[in-house]
Order: sequence, then C-alpha cells, then structure tokens
Amino acid sequence: DVKVTQSSRYLVKRTGEKVFLECVQDMDHENMFWYRQDPGLGLRLIYFSYDVKMKEKGDIPEGYSVSREKKERFSLILESASTNQTSMYLCASSFWGQGNQPQHFGDGTRLSIL
Amino acid sequence: AQSVTQLDSQVPVFEEAPVELRCNYSSSVSVYLFWYVQYPNQGLQLLLKYLSGSTLVKGINGFEAEFNKSQTSFHLRKPSVHISDTAEYFCAVSGSGGYQKVTFGIGTKLQVIP
Repeated sequence: DVKVTQSSRYLVKRTGEKVFLECVQDMDHENMFWYRQDPGLGLRLIYFSYDVKMKEKGDIPEGYSVSREKKERFSLILESASTNQTSMYLCASSFWGQGNQPQHFGDGTRLSIL
Repeated sequence: AQSVTQLDSQVPVFEEAPVELRCNYSSSVSVYLFWYVQYPNQGLQLLLKYLSGSTLVKGINGFEAEFNKSQTSFHLRKPSVHISDTAEYFCAVSGSGGYQKVTFGIGTKLQVIP
C-alpha cells in the first residue's frame, strides 16, 4: 500500500514564524502536491512537483514556497506565517501520467497560526 | 480551463436508503474523473475513477458512478448506505495530457442517520 506521511498532525505557530511542513512518500512517485483544505472551498493546490528540484505554482502559491531535494520528500514552507494561513494542509503523491493517475493523500496537518 | 461543481454541500440520508451525490464538470479537453472520500481526521482516499470505456464505474465499499458526457456529469450512487459511509466526498477532474492538474469540487458531506 502507498504510504504518504506528513510529519505533524497538529501544529501551532505564531505570526511571523517560518514554518516547515514535511511530507514523505514511499512509492517512488514522480509527482507530489501540496493542498490546503478550507470549509466551503474544497481543496486548493498550492504547489506541485513532478521531479526532484522541479516545482510549479498551483492556484494559491502566495506566501508559500516548496522544496524537493529528494524524490520521496516534499516540503512546504510558510516564509512568514500569517493568521490567514490557518488551515488543513494535505500532501499527495502520484505516478507521472497523462492525467489518469489517482493521487494518494497523507492524513493532513492542521495548522493554527496565532 | 476545467471546473467541478458539486451541487449539494450536505446530504442527510437514513441508513439503508439509497443515495446519489451529484457532480458536474466542465472542460475543453478529454477528461478523467475521480471520486474521493475523506473520513473524519483523515486524508482523501480514492473511491473510483473513470478513465475510458464503460460509462458505469464500480468502486470500493459498494459505490458506483456513471459518466454522462452529454450532461457533463459524474454522479456517485450507492443503493443502500451504512453508518460507516458518513464522510465527505469529493469529485475531481483531470485533463488528459501533460502533468495532471486535478481540480477538486468543494465536497459533499454525507450524513447517514440511524
């Protein structure tokens, strides 16, 4: 079974802090994704990566950056956390494909910015 | 551009009754369609997918969905629900070609009433 592991289930940080969310997958997937999930808005794509050191902006990249130094690990960075970044963050991975590959999700990190 | 509309934000249904969760999509290219389920405090997991071929797709836990190209719909159905089906359900569309940008709907919360 594919396993996508997010380093923290719950995280509380202060405004202005630099925050790192880590995600590791064990299935040698090429693609990795970061979403945020908010009530009434569904899942919105922040960034994705299709290869090591490659990244593409999603729909809401402002205030975030990412790092992919190894194939299995994809990090989301909040450069200077703000209260409007309080949310559930979901990491996902998939094989490279012509849009037909399902994504496998981690259990999420619920981040609160105070 | 592609989009997904889930017409109902919440659907209450009595145990052992049938249920239909509605999903409509728009896209200018051929699409792949997915339904995911999210149980409380968990990430999303794949219920079923339509890639090509038969328009009736069967998934896990007794769910099925029908792809209707003329109505651009991909409704999810189950003939008899259980308490354990209480969860949030997300419809998603992916365009063919290139990397897979997946667009998710805002989700439908299914509440099964004993």
